[in-house]
Amino acid sequence: SYELTQPPSVSVSPGQTARITCSGDSLPKKYAYWYQQKSGQAPVLVIYEDSKRPSGIPERFSGSSSGTMATLTISGAPVEDEADYYCCSTDSSVVFGGGTKLTVL
Amino acid sequence: QVTLKESGPVLVKPTETLTLTCTVSGFSLSNARMGVSWIRQPPGKALEWLAHIFSSDEKSYSTSLKSSLTISKDTSKSQVVLTMTNLDPVDTATYYCARIRRDSSGDYYFDFWGQGTLVTVSS
Repeated sequence: SYELTQPPSVSVSPGQTARITCSGDSLPKKYAYWYQQKSGQAPVLVIYEDSKRPSGIPERFSGSSSGTMATLTISGAPVEDEADYYCCSTDSSVVFGGGTKLTVL
Repeated sequence: QVTLKESGPVLVKPTETLTLTCTVSGFSLSNARMGVSWIRQPPGKALEWLAHIFSSDEKSYSTSLKSSLTISKDTSKSQVVLTMTNLDPVDTATYYCARIRRDSSGDYYFDFWGQGTLVTVSS
């Protein structure tokens, strides 16, 4: 079955750049999507079609994809961006990565 | 303003059937580029996609749960219903419904989510 692999955790200091990776064999031909989930809240779409940002999402969020790896970058991450981040893609069905806990402190 | 709201039982016994309803507003279930998905999240664990339905009545189910899931919609009521049979304690999770948007490649993503509803499976 198709899988997306993310690191369990990433830690940065406030104001630093955080990079969260997502690897999957179908990513060369399928888009990656990224969701942010803060504690106790529903997920929020932050990146779609590899690199597009929905309305209302800060410019510090960006996405890229190359080969079998997609990357979510948060430039100058403030403490408020501390959350779980999930990549997602579709092959024959929808697949979520295991999630990455971003710690900003 | 797009909103989705899940409703259903809080507690279900093992082997029983769960019925969840997603009531949407701000868009129509007859919109060709949109649909609704159900996604769940066990406590402390990752998101898991369950099923989706589009305006055309196209449906798709998680391979691992296909035999126990049924998704349907009532466009006139703006509701999408998910039933899950033969529940087990491992099905304890927060269940979310989310709006689907088709992207330029024909794949899709979830642009709006409901707040989620926690369902506990226990005797």
